[in-house]
Amino acid sequence: GENVEQHPSTLSVQEGDSAVIKCTYSDSASNYFPWYKQELGKGPQLIIDIRSNVGEKKDQRIAVTLNKTAKHFSLHITETQPEDSAVYFCAASLGGNTPLVFGKGTRLSVIA
Amino acid sequence: EADIYQTPRYLVIGTGKKITLECSQTMGHDKMYWYQQDPGMELHLIHYSYGVNSTEKGDLSSESTVSRIRTEHFPLTLESARPSHTSQYLCASRVGGADTQYFGPGTRLTVL
Repeated sequence: GENVEQHPSTLSVQEGDSAVIKCTYSDSASNYFPWYKQELGKGPQLIIDIRSNVGEKKDQRIAVTLNKTAKHFSLHITETQPEDSAVYFCAASLGGNTPLVFGKGTRLSVIA
Repeated sequence: EADIYQTPRYLVIGTGKKITLECSQTMGHDKMYWYQQDPGMELHLIHYSYGVNSTEKGDLSSESTVSRIRTEHFPLTLESARPSHTSQYLCASRVGGADTQYFGPGTRLTVL
């Protein structure tokens, strides 16, 4: 089955700096890659996603890149702000009825 | 904001009690999921459903059971709660394999 590895597990950055979180997946048939942000006391919320026919997607300060050949995808957050502090999860999906497979999460701390 | 709800949000109970965690969504999603989230962040899939009268066990063995009698409702039941069941339980739903998965706010369960 699919396996998703996520790194790093914790990340601290200064406010205004960029943050990068990386994930690798094992099944080349995976075709959907969402990223979730989980704030304290809340459920994870989708922040951006990418499908296998696209290499990069941006939404304001966040972007995701996908390298299908290497089977890895990354989340980039620019100009980080204290409110970006949260736990971030990557996931991969084979589509159809197969559940999402999540990485183990990255705890991002943005230091003011 | 996702239309997926979980009750109760917090629950403290004694060992041996039977409990049901409620999850409902008003988006008409066929697929629903239950995750157990440990303090280390990782999301563990414990049950999922493709639709009415469909239930499947997830990757993490769980002593809980689920039912799916109505599309919008996916309750999780523990027949006899134990301290090892203390955790955060997250419910989620989505339409198809490559569509957005929405999470509820979670239920934090403490078994004394």
